[in-house]
Amino acid sequence: DQQVKQNSPSLSVQEGRISILNCDYTNSMFDYFLWYKKYPAEGPTFLISISSIKDKNEDGRFTVFLNKSAKHLSLHIVPSQPGDSAVYFCAASAIQGAQKLVFGQGTRLTINP
Amino acid sequence: DAGITQSPRHKVTETGTPVTLRCHQTENHRYMYWYRQDPGHGLRLIHYSYGVKDTDKGEVSDGYSVSRSKTEDFLLTLESATSSQTSVYFCAIRATSGDPHNNEQFFGPGTRLTVL
Repeated sequence: DQQVKQNSPSLSVQEGRISILNCDYTNSMFDYFLWYKKYPAEGPTFLISISSIKDKNEDGRFTVFLNKSAKHLSLHIVPSQPGDSAVYFCAASAIQGAQKLVFGQGTRLTINP
Repeated sequence: DAGITQSPRHKVTETGTPVTLRCHQTENHRYMYWYRQDPGHGLRLIHYSYGVKDTDKGEVSDGYSVSRSKTEDFLLTLESATSSQTSVYFCAIRATSGDPHNNEQFFGPGTRLTVL
């Protein structure tokens, strides 16, 4: 029973264009969502988060959108750069308490020159 | 850099042997977590700690135990390793501030464990 799903295992985008990564969740108790980026042989790196009181959060080239009614979030990266090539994980939890993160399976993003 | 180190970084062991992985943090964070990463599953929570001697189970805790006798160290033990525990193990700390909307988890570099 996958509570957080990233349905696209991979995505290929041209350098300079927009990358859009998607994530769906099923648990209505989730109210805090995060995106992590992971390079091989390294730990995940925090990118950006959003709580359910917002529908958008922006940090530089990264914007996360949250659609609570659809239980869907997306990460937009614009413009995409070669260094953005990595595996991206979305994660969700309840904002109160122990913050036990539930992760999606990940999407491998490749930025082509 | 959240000041998290993990040791060892790589380990190969045999089925049935005990294994202990160590996570060390330098910033006195209250919450610490152990996750495992496997292909097709993302990261899954094994155990977490919310203070010295305070721990609780996560999603995939069977076959694992943890201990936290000092704020800075969180140990993960496989009492009798099995091949299904071959994985990459990540420790994380939770940065806490007065704003609950700003309490991200930061991860260590990982330990690659192979159980033969």
